[in-house]
Amino acid sequence: RKEVEQDPGPFNVPEGATVAFNCTYSNSASQSFFWYRQDCRKEPKLLMSVYSSGNEDGRFTAQLNRASQYISLLIRDSKLSDSATYLCVVNIPEDSSYKLIFGSGTRLLVRP
Amino acid sequence: GAGVSQSPSNKVTEKGKDVELRCDPISGHTALYWYRQRLGQGLEFLIYFQGNSAPDKSGLPSDRFSAERTGESVSTLTIQRTQQEDSAVYLCASSPQTGTGSYGYTFGSGTRLTVV
Repeated sequence: RKEVEQDPGPFNVPEGATVAFNCTYSNSASQSFFWYRQDCRKEPKLLMSVYSSGNEDGRFTAQLNRASQYISLLIRDSKLSDSATYLCVVNIPEDSSYKLIFGSGTRLLVRP
Repeated sequence: GAGVSQSPSNKVTEKGKDVELRCDPISGHTALYWYRQRLGQGLEFLIYFQGNSAPDKSGLPSDRFSAERTGESVSTLTIQRTQQEDSAVYLCASSPQTGTGSYGYTFGSGTRLTVV
């Protein structure tokens, strides 16, 4: 089983739509969770951290379900500029420190 | 510096040659990471440094790959006797500390390696 699993998509939605992505992780000891965005042929950039209580940043809402070990990202009122690949990221305890493991990403295409 | 800097941005090399990739992390970031991303694929973890030590080298694909970091700053990733399957974008990232708390990573723009 992969440490972090995502639906690769693509999700093809019209402008203004609401779209949600899910991600599951395998290591119950993970403590930190993130969503990154990666544009074509660019490096990944941090979109938002994910907190247990859920958190919102403008049109983006992230939630964490520790019991089921999944993370979600909701995008409301999609814009053309939201088209990108969204990477679910989880920290994995390793000895006394941690490393981040990236999912393979979910591709979003927002059409006019 | 203001961000993570990687050099070269592009490298074309002949099969069998050695290459060295460089990463300058954000000043003061103690944690440094190397990932590889093949075309159309996800990020593959290679190695990370906490200070100058590398607690986990398990991600290095083979003994042709090695990495070092000095002065808790610059890191170099060396690939010996390159093979065509080594062609990928090699991404470096840094963080104030290893991935605990709410610290994410800041990535450099990568080195695109093509082995011909």
